[in-house]
Amino acid sequence: EVQLLESGGGLVQPGGSLRLSCAASGFTFSTYGMSWVRQAPGKGLEWVSSISGSGDNTYYADSVKGRFTISRDNSKNILYMQMNSLRAEDTAAYYCGRISSSIKSNWFDPWGQGTLVIVSS
Amino acid sequence: DIQMTQSPSSLSASVGDRVTITCRASQSISSYLSWYQQKPGKAPKLLIYSASSLQSGVPSRFGGSGSGTDFTLTINYLQPEDFATYYCLQSYSTWAFGQGTRVEV
Repeated sequence: EVQLLESGGGLVQPGGSLRLSCAASGFTFSTYGMSWVRQAPGKGLEWVSSISGSGDNTYYADSVKGRFTISRDNSKNILYMQMNSLRAEDTAAYYCGRISSSIKSNWFDPWGQGTLVIVSS
Repeated sequence: DIQMTQSPSSLSASVGDRVTITCRASQSISSYLSWYQQKPGKAPKLLIYSASSLQSGVPSRFGGSGSGTDFTLTINYLQPEDFATYYCLQSYSTWAFGQGTRVEV
């Protein structure tokens, strides 16, 4: 069974840092791109960042570019998100998702259960 | 960046109704469009990929159509478990979600 399990969320002060992890199991991790998506309380889904299977290619939303860094350890089957210079508006549930693809499209499936990040003094 | 405009933002429906949700892309995205269902406190769940392909295990009352810039999610014979929020996602150029549609009683 394909599973994704996020961890690392918590309460952090504005300007602080946090590292999220997403442990993957049930599939060949290195052959899939992975993504982070967040959802602020009461708001919609926002794509945050993605990384290719090899880790060579990374992509970021403008809202986090320069502050967040996505990475992966294919030997441990873990996806990471290093979050620096955190702001109140980064408060959200953070989900990791596997990028599945075909010749004519790609999509996120499955998703982890999410980890909550609260940025507050 | 490609923007996704999803409508309506919310709708009221009854069990047995047919529901239609639309997403419009700011430029052509071919069939790089997927649909997700999210219930409160839960992770999103994939319903439709490649604009019109039904994900395994998803009931056949869910259907997707469209290509280019205009896409539709249709739910036939709405069931009690279908009351949720639905999102589209474009994956043609990086990724971007629509604003969501809340389907309520």
